[in-house]
Amino acid sequence: GENVEQHPSTLSVQEGDSAVIKCTYSDSASNYFPWYKQELGKGPQLIIDIRSNVGEKKDQRIAVTLNKTAKHFSLHITETQPEDSAVYFCAASKSGAGGYNKLIFGAGTRLAVHP
Amino acid sequence: EAEVAQSPRYKITEKSQAVAFWCDPISGHATLYWYRQILGQGPELLVQFQDESVVDDSQLPKDRFSAERLKGVDSTLKIQPAELGDSAMYLCASRGTRGSETQYFGPGTRLLVL
Repeated sequence: GENVEQHPSTLSVQEGDSAVIKCTYSDSASNYFPWYKQELGKGPQLIIDIRSNVGEKKDQRIAVTLNKTAKHFSLHITETQPEDSAVYFCAASKSGAGGYNKLIFGAGTRLAVHP
Repeated sequence: EAEVAQSPRYKITEKSQAVAFWCDPISGHATLYWYRQILGQGPELLVQFQDESVVDDSQLPKDRFSAERLKGVDSTLKIQPAELGDSAMYLCASRGTRGSETQYFGPGTRLLVL
């Protein structure tokens, strides 16, 4: 089955710096790659996603890149702010029979942004 | 903005007791998921419903876990009997039309088994 590996497990940056989180997936049939942000005591919140027919997507300070050949995708956060501090999860899925996708999550990256 | 509702938010129970969690998905969302998230790990799918039907329960420990979505709207996840290893966050998510792949998560129920 699908396996998603995420690195690093923890990341500490200074406010204003950039942060990059990387994920690799094993199933070449995976075609949807969302990123979730989870704050303490809350459920994961979708921050950006990308489909396999796109190589890059950007939304303000957040961007995601996808390399299908290498089976890896990355989250880039620029001009980090203290409120970006949270745990970030990558995930992968493929559209199965009937369109029922199943998300496989990475283990998470704890990002700390220091003022 | 519509949200996925879950209750209770926190539950403490003793091992061998029964516990139940409730989820109300975003109105109109046909697909509902229950995930378990162990501290320090990513969520793992337990069961997936399409309307009232189970479409994937391959990771659900069926000897002690059960899930239902009788009218295809809200859902209940039950554990009986609870074990110490069941301590985790139980997350519910919902997804809209089959053309949309976005899953929206609720706040979760934090379970502690003593």
